[in-house]
Amino acid sequence: GENVEQHPSTLSVQEGDSAVIKCTYSDSASNYFPWYKQELGKRPQLIIDIRSNVGEKKDQRIAVTLNKTAKHFSLHITETQPEDSAVYFCAAPVSGGYQKVTFGTGTKLQVIP
Amino acid sequence: DADVTQTPRNRITKTGKRIMLECSQTKGHDRMYWYRQDPGLGLRLIYYSFDVKDINKGEISDGYSVSRQAQAKFSLSLESAIPNQTALYFCATSEISSNEQFFGPGTRLTVL
Repeated sequence: GENVEQHPSTLSVQEGDSAVIKCTYSDSASNYFPWYKQELGKRPQLIIDIRSNVGEKKDQRIAVTLNKTAKHFSLHITETQPEDSAVYFCAAPVSGGYQKVTFGTGTKLQVIP
Repeated sequence: DADVTQTPRNRITKTGKRIMLECSQTKGHDRMYWYRQDPGLGLRLIYYSFDVKDINKGEISDGYSVSRQAQAKFSLSLESAIPNQTALYFCATSEISSNEQFFGPGTRLTVL
């Protein structure tokens, strides 16, 4: 099955700085990589995803990059704001499919005003 | 708005008791999932169902069972609860044409 490792487990940045969270995966057939954000006391919600036919995807201050050769993908948040403080989870498909994923262990991001 | 709901939201029970957590959705999605969340361990898949007649084990199904009573309802049961099943439980749904999973608000379960 898929094994997803996520680093760091905690990350503190000053407001306005950038934050980067990295994940590695084991199954070379994996082709879909979502990122979920979970605010304190709330449910996880999808914030961005990328498919294996592209190397980068951006949505305003958030971007995801994918390196299929090295089997890792990263979430980049620029110009961080206090409302970016949350736990972020990466995920990768199980057995190459789309509908079942394995989640990383999460990164708790704290943006210091 | 279409949503995923879970009941109860909080539950405290004793070791050995049978517990049922319920999930309902008005999104019209065929696919439903149960996860548990523990600090430092992320979200781990317990069971999933791709339609009413389909039930599949996830990575941590031991000690749990599920029932898909209808397209909109997916229940998780703990036949004999034990303390290490204390966790936050999430139900999620997705539609066939999309990969995005929509989570319910979660059920915090404490087993004493």
